[in-house]
Amino acid sequence: QKEVEQNSGPLSVPEGAIASLNCTYSDRGSQSFFWYRQYSGKSPELIMFIYSNGDKEDGRFTAQLNKASQYVSLLIRDSQPSDSATYLCAVIVSGGFKTIFGAGTRLFVKA
Amino acid sequence: GAGVSQSPSNKVTEKGKDVELRCDPISGHTALYWYRQSLGQGLEFLIYFQGNSAPDKSGLPSDRFSAERTGGSVSTLTIQRTQQEDSAVYLCASSLGGGRTNYGYTFGSGTRLTVV
Repeated sequence: QKEVEQNSGPLSVPEGAIASLNCTYSDRGSQSFFWYRQYSGKSPELIMFIYSNGDKEDGRFTAQLNKASQYVSLLIRDSQPSDSATYLCAVIVSGGFKTIFGAGTRLFVKA
Repeated sequence: GAGVSQSPSNKVTEKGKDVELRCDPISGHTALYWYRQSLGQGLEFLIYFQGNSAPDKSGLPSDRFSAERTGGSVSTLTIQRTQQEDSAVYLCASSLGGGRTNYGYTFGSGTRLTVV
């Protein structure tokens, strides 16, 4: 079992819709969770982090964490074509400091 | 500096040669990480430095790979006797701290290594 799993996609949504990206992780002791966006040919850039169960909102982005289910998600409201990218879920494994990345979900927002 | 700086941006080398990749993190960031990303793949952890602590080298794929961080700032990743499977983008990232003080990484623009 991979430590951090994501559906590779592609996920295609129309402009203005809500895009929902999901991630599961295997290390029950993980405490810190991140979402990064990576445009083709570019480096990943941080969107947001979440530490506590529940929702965390930042503009059009909402991260949701459920530690009991070992599940973290990212919602993008009012999706725009500029949101088209690969979204990486990342988890800091317990007992250490390294961050493990999922393989990413490709998102296409159709104009 | 304002961001994480990596050099060179591109490197083409012959199989069997040694290469050095450089990373200059954001000033004040105590944690520094190296990852690599093969074409169409996810990020593979290589090594982690935190302050003056011993680095976490658990992700280095073989003894041909080594890294050092001098003065708690600039880091160099060295690959000896390069092989074609080493071809990838090597990404460096830094963060303010490690563990729960890691509020997320800032990545450099990467070094694209091609072994021919």
